[in-house]
Amino acid sequence: QVQLVQSGAEVKKPGASVKVSCKASGYTFTSYDINWVRQATGQGLEWVGWVNPNSGNAGYAQKFQGRITMTRNTSIGTAFMELSNLTSEDTAVFYCARGRGGTSWYADYWGQGTLVTVSS
Amino acid sequence: SYELTQPPSVSVSPGQTASITCSGDKLGDKYACWYQQKPGQSPVLVIYQDTKRPSGIPERFSGSNSGNTATLTISGTQAMDEADYYCQTWDSSAVVFGGGSKLTVL
Repeated sequence: QVQLVQSGAEVKKPGASVKVSCKASGYTFTSYDINWVRQATGQGLEWVGWVNPNSGNAGYAQKFQGRITMTRNTSIGTAFMELSNLTSEDTAVFYCARGRGGTSWYADYWGQGTLVTVSS
Repeated sequence: SYELTQPPSVSVSPGQTASITCSGDKLGDKYACWYQQKPGQSPVLVIYQDTKRPSGIPERFSGSNSGNTATLTISGTQAMDEADYYCQTWDSSAVVFGGGSKLTVL
C-alpha cells in the first residue's frame, strides 16, 4: 500500500534552517511528484511547492521563493524540504503529499505531518 | 493570484444533506477537488476532478463544478462526517486551497 512517512518534530531558533524528509513506499517513487503543504495551528492548508523525483526539478510558491529548497534521493525513495531563515510565523505542521493529474492536480496520499516549531 | 472562497462554517442535522461551496473566478473552467480533515489528522481526498470519488470514500460524498462555484454535497450526513473541508484547484502552475469550512453535525 502507498505510504508517505515523514521525519519527526523539529524545534528551531529564529534564523535557523530545517530539513524535513518524506519516505515513499508502495509505488514507483519516480512516477509522481511530491508536494509540500503547510498548516499553521488552527489555520488552513497552504501549498509550499513540488519536486519531481524523476528529474529533480522543483517549483515553489512565490511567498517561499528564495528560502525553500526541495530535493530527492531516488536511491532511498525519499523527498526533502529545506526551509531557511525561519521565523515564528513558520511554526506549523508540514505535510508531504503525492501529486496526481497535471492541470487537474490533486493529492491522493498524504504523510502524517511534521511539526516544526520556531522559538527562541 | 487566484483565490478560492469557502464559508467558514456549515451546520447540518444528522441524516440531512450538507452542501459546502467553493467560489472562484471561472472555477468551472478548471478542475476542483475536496479534502476532509479531522482534528489531529492528515487531509484525506474525498472528491477529485470535480465529481470522482477515490476508492473507499462513501457514496454519500459527491461533487459538482460549474460557473464560479464548486460544491461538495454530503447526503445522509453522519456524525463521523464532522470535520474541516478544503476545496483546491490548480492555477498558473500553482496549487490553490480554499480557506476551509468547518462542518458541524448537530
